[in-house]
Amino acid sequence: DSGVTQTPKHLITATGQRVTLRCSPRSGDLSVYWYQQSLDQGLQFLIQYYNGEERAKGNILERFSAQQFPDLHSELNLSSLELGDSALYFCASSVGSPGPNSPLHFGNGTRLTVT
Amino acid sequence: ELKVEQNPLFLSMQEGKNYTIYCNYSTTSDRLYWYRQDPGKSLESLFVLLSNGAVKQEGRLMASLDTKARLSTLHITAAVHDLSATYFCAVRTTSGTYKYIFGTGTRLKVLA
Repeated sequence: DSGVTQTPKHLITATGQRVTLRCSPRSGDLSVYWYQQSLDQGLQFLIQYYNGEERAKGNILERFSAQQFPDLHSELNLSSLELGDSALYFCASSVGSPGPNSPLHFGNGTRLTVT
Repeated sequence: ELKVEQNPLFLSMQEGKNYTIYCNYSTTSDRLYWYRQDPGKSLESLFVLLSNGAVKQEGRLMASLDTKARLSTLHITAAVHDLSATYFCAVRTTSGTYKYIFGTGTRLKVLA
């Protein structure tokens, strides 16, 4: 168990809808990262937060947004969903930014299916 | 933009054989990671490599880093079925804001 908690585990919704994915980092970790893993593809970096502030952006669509709250949990909001948004969304956490030698610790992911 | 490429993308090998997975990255980085992912599961950290010439070993897996060549290898010795998984390398960028960029992944299948 990595200590990173993601909810829900599965989410099925229709095109055009909006969903929120939640992530609680490991105790003591200040940085949260969001990744998207589509079928047969690698992990695409979406966005990083450190202690409540956005630190880095990757290939995140304008329809997607995220935030990190004072208690350090993070939410990824996906709106105007399209079929192509179906994927496994991972949250990872680390101690700091820049982090020490420790790797990112990943949650179990939220599998989003858009129908 | 940092690119991380792995090869091969797919690898099917017999138990007991040796093989190497390669990870190339396109710009400077100060650390490289290897992860393992079982189907439908999360990613598990295997190794963190910090400096040129770094080598780390755990069981049948050995990872090395050549920062001058921007190349890391994951060597599998005497493969066993339990090693079947997808292996990812990831690098942390050192320019601008820090990002962890993952390679394309190598799907390994070890045949009994």
